[in-house]
Amino acid sequence: GAGVSQSPSNKVTEKGKDVELRCDPISGHTALYWYRQSLGQGLEFLIYFQGNSAPDKSGLPSDRFSAERTGGSVSTLTIQRTQQEDSAVYLCASSLYPTGGQGGELFFGEGSRLTVL
Amino acid sequence: AQSVTQLGSHVSVSEGALVLLRCNYSSSVPPYLFWYVQYPNQGLQLLLKYTSAATLVKGINGFEAEFKKSETSFHLTKPSAHMSDAAEYFCAVTGGGNKLTFGTGTQLKVEL
Repeated sequence: GAGVSQSPSNKVTEKGKDVELRCDPISGHTALYWYRQSLGQGLEFLIYFQGNSAPDKSGLPSDRFSAERTGGSVSTLTIQRTQQEDSAVYLCASSLYPTGGQGGELFFGEGSRLTVL
Repeated sequence: AQSVTQLGSHVSVSEGALVLLRCNYSSSVPPYLFWYVQYPNQGLQLLLKYTSAATLVKGINGFEAEFKKSETSFHLTKPSAHMSDAAEYFCAVTGGGNKLTFGTGTQLKVEL
């Protein structure tokens, strides 16, 4: 497709289970970002990829969170042993070039809504 | 480090009235500044961005924003609100590194 695609759009899981969230960026976009959006909290940065490398993972809240990107394209965010406080919308964005040094525009997917019971 | 403050988590205007959404930023380096809009159950969409080319930036749907360095502000305005403008608006800043730092958002309500 033409835009950023995320799956699943909704995920309900039980506390303690692992979940995987997938992001398909726009073709050719080298930079990829994960954000978390909680009610009233705005967007919280999680991790940034340039190609397959993650030069900035400073926003990952704990070692239960990890992410990878393969082939400079698809990225997966994994949350192990989910907790109720992990409930949020997880947004993926991609850009043709990094936003920091060159002002690249981020294109967002519609997000994956995670509910941990 | 950079940060963004959006004053007013909820703003309500009448249709046809001026829209003013406030954003103040802090950054240790010259920033890039962005406004994004999020309609219900959708992802974020870029409204406009400031990249130092011009202080008054025009965006989509009749929105514009003015970069004021002395006030560290980047307020978003639209002369005449339309019902379709009802959404959540986010201001964001870069300031070193390669991530956007977002404000907490302003929910705009447009009333008849």
